[in-house]
Amino acid sequence: GQSLEQPSEVTAVEGAIVQINCTYQTSGFYGLSWYQQHDGGAPTFLSYNGLDGLEETGRFSSFLSRSDSYGYLLLQELQMKDSASYFCAVRPNTGFQKLVFGTGTRLLVSP
Amino acid sequence: DAGVIQSPRHEVTEMGQEVTLRCKPISGHDYLFWYRQTMMQGLELLVYFNNKAVMDDSGMPKDRFSAKMPNASFSTLKIQPSEPRDSAVYFCASSLGGSSGEQYFGPGTRLTVT
Repeated sequence: GQSLEQPSEVTAVEGAIVQINCTYQTSGFYGLSWYQQHDGGAPTFLSYNGLDGLEETGRFSSFLSRSDSYGYLLLQELQMKDSASYFCAVRPNTGFQKLVFGTGTRLLVSP
Repeated sequence: DAGVIQSPRHEVTEMGQEVTLRCKPISGHDYLFWYRQTMMQGLELLVYFNNKAVMDDSGMPKDRFSAKMPNASFSTLKIQPSEPRDSAVYFCASSLGGSSGEQYFGPGTRLTVT
């Protein structure tokens, strides 16, 4: 099976850098994804790591280390609008397009 | 593109009643997913389809839930009879598949069962 653990809440100030960690236990997976969800909204795709290493998309970067069973999302130059919940998710290799989501991290950005 | 469309956006019903949630995926997407989100359980996959066929429904309580996809542009999730513990936000998502498996979520249906 799969389980993905994330910190429940992270706080930061505008302009800062924050890292949201995702540790997982899984029997095998294709890749690690990150989704953002604002209060009352739907999850939206942010990034995907199919291979180990860093993927950069603007102010957001995501990292995966399969040997450490660990990944993270890095948000730079934080803005108020980044206040949201962030979920990591894996695609198990037992179900090609299925996603298993982590517990979610609520990010609060203050002025 | 209009994105994934779900209806209704809000539903309040009494315990024991039948509830039907509807979803229209993005045109051309071969995969359709139904999720349930609650504070306690987080985001759970209930069922997903590939080209209208059920691929995995292991997360769906089959005694009261049923999901159908009669054509490529429409899916329903039915709860009969509904119970208070079914109160949640239900999301439909669609995907082209591919390496990232990026899923596009609809706005969700907030279901309250009293």
